[in-house]
Amino acid sequence: AQTVTQSQPEMSVQEAETVTLSCTYDTSENNYYLFWYKQPPSRQMILVIRQEAYKQQNATENRFSVNFQKAAKSFSLKISDSQLGDTAMYFCAFMKPSGAGGTSYGKLTFGQGTILTVHP
Amino acid sequence: NAGVTQTPKFRILKIGQSMTLQCAQDMNHNYMYWYRQDPGMGLKLIYYSVGAGITDKGEVPNGYNVSRSTTEDFPLRLELAAPSQTSVYFCASSYRDRGAFFGQGTRLTVV
Repeated sequence: AQTVTQSQPEMSVQEAETVTLSCTYDTSENNYYLFWYKQPPSRQMILVIRQEAYKQQNATENRFSVNFQKAAKSFSLKISDSQLGDTAMYFCAFMKPSGAGGTSYGKLTFGQGTILTVHP
Repeated sequence: NAGVTQTPKFRILKIGQSMTLQCAQDMNHNYMYWYRQDPGMGLKLIYYSVGAGITDKGEVPNGYNVSRSTTEDFPLRLELAAPSQTSVYFCASSYRDRGAFFGQGTRLTVV
């Protein structure tokens, strides 16, 4: 079974600065997907970024980027130019492939989450 | 597009009561899921479905039942509610490996 660990229960950052959230995972799979989800106080789960394990290039989405280290099984999220609206809980999630004989069917394994507070 | 719609948003149940959480998606996704989120924890999978008429248990299925009669709808049934079922419940859907899209969640309190 896969496990996902987020070792930082809480983080804080000043507006306009950069912050990095950590995530490690344990799997024996060679091919998989990793995600970061944002959960603001509204409770809505929002997909922030997606990384395919067989792609060496780190995924980026505007101010959000990841540092994917496959050998170390590490998947950190960097938020640049932090904004007050980035205040939220952030979840790292793991997924095995669902196609080509895979049987994960898109099921996600989540970490415990990191609460990020952006201060003005 | 509405995406994934869950109802109700909040509910208080008494111990032993039953209820159904409704979930509908309009994205024509085959895969649908129910997760629960306990305070300070990540989400855990209760049940999932890979298409109409096909459901299977996730990590924490005890005390719950599901059905999937159409592609759009995936209700979650709680029978004989217990305090341990106090949680936030999320319905989600996905297309292949693109990642799941979530509803707004239902905060359920069992007293």
